[in-house]
Amino acid sequence: EVQLVQSGAEVKKPGESLRISCKTSGYNFATYWIGWVRQKPGKGLEWMGIIYPRDSDTQYSPSFQGQVTISVDKSISTAYLQWNSLKASDTAMYYCARHVAPDTTMVGFEYWGQGSLVTVSS
Amino acid sequence: DIQMTQFPSSLSASVGDRVTITCRASQNIEKYLNWYQQRPGKAPKLLIYAASTFQGGVPSRFSGSGFGTDFTLTISTLQPDDSATYYCQQSYSTPHTFGQGTKLEI
Repeated sequence: EVQLVQSGAEVKKPGESLRISCKTSGYNFATYWIGWVRQKPGKGLEWMGIIYPRDSDTQYSPSFQGQVTISVDKSISTAYLQWNSLKASDTAMYYCARHVAPDTTMVGFEYWGQGSLVTVSS
Repeated sequence: DIQMTQFPSSLSASVGDRVTITCRASQNIEKYLNWYQQRPGKAPKLLIYAASTFQGGVPSRFSGSGFGTDFTLTISTLQPDDSATYYCQQSYSTPHTFGQGTKLEI
């Protein structure tokens, strides 16, 4: 059974750093692109970026390039989303998700994590 | 970036109705259009990818069509369970942008 299990809710202050995780199981981690999606409270879905675990090829949305870092640890089948300096505007739910098929991004996100709520407040 | 525009942004319908949600891309995306359903407090659920391919387990009352720039999601016989927000997403080129969502109330 494919599972994506995200780390828990975080409350941080502006300027702090944070890394949230997405632990996967039940499939060949290396061959499926994994993505991150942001959803601010009461708002729509925003595509942040994707990573191909086999070679760590990463593609970011221009809106998030330089603001976050997406990475993986293949040894533990886990993807990460990291901030070096959080802002109040980063307050949101963050989802990781896996594409339908291996080795391609031209299909939808089939499996989703449960979401990690990040709250940034002074 | 490719812009995705959904309409209507919200609609109200009754059980048994047929509803159609439209998604328009700012440029040709061929067949690379996905539809998601999101219920409050839940992660999105993939309904259809590649414009018209069903994701496993999705009820047959959902269908998708379109190619190029114009796409539709149709729910043929609304059920109470279909109350949710629906999003389209293009996966033709990165960033894989989402539409702004259509909130369906039943």
